[in-house]
Amino acid sequence: KQEVTQIPAALSVPEGENLVLNCSFTDSAIYNLQWFRQDPGKGLTSLLLIQSSQREQTSGRLNASLDKSSGRSTLYIAASQPGDSATYLCAPLRDTDKLIFGTGTRLQVFP
Amino acid sequence: DTGVSQDPRHKITKRGQNVTFRCDPISEHNRLYWYRQTLGQGPEFLTYFQNEAQLEKSRLLSDRFSAERPKGSFSTLEIQRTEQGDSAMYLCASSYRTSVPVLSTDTQYFGPGTRLTVL
Repeated sequence: KQEVTQIPAALSVPEGENLVLNCSFTDSAIYNLQWFRQDPGKGLTSLLLIQSSQREQTSGRLNASLDKSSGRSTLYIAASQPGDSATYLCAPLRDTDKLIFGTGTRLQVFP
Repeated sequence: DTGVSQDPRHKITKRGQNVTFRCDPISEHNRLYWYRQTLGQGPEFLTYFQNEAQLEKSRLLSDRFSAERPKGSFSTLEIQRTEQGDSAMYLCASSYRTSVPVLSTDTQYFGPGTRLTVL
């Protein structure tokens, strides 16, 4: 059974810092991995999807890496802004297609 | 492309009542998923459809829960005889998957969710 852990559980930083959010998963036989953002009381917004054959994926100030063999993914946020404040969730996907989510990292970026 | 929509956005009901939620996926997407999320937790998978066929159901989906996607477009999730433990955010997502993986996007796009409160 896939288990997903995200560290840290919460993070509070001043604006401008570069951040690293960690995701680990127990079953490395994954098809891909998605990172999501969730604002309070809202649905999920897809940020990045990394295929199992890829090592990295970038979108703007976001960079996600994947080390499938060690069961780890990292989301790097450059030059953080108050608008980045949200909960960040990672979710690996096996060929059964259901996403398995961690409990997320709750990020607060203050001015 | 208007994204995934869900209706209603909020539902308050009394214990024992039946409720039904609707999800409209992105139009060209053939896969539709339902997840449930409780406070402070990540979403948990409930069930998913490929076109109109329900392919998998989680053990979380008790006999009181039923989901349909009658014409392979919108889907409904019904909860009968609601209990206070059913209070949660119910999320719907859609994606496009073919037998040719390179043509699939796999990205699951989520709707805004339906927040259910059972009193």
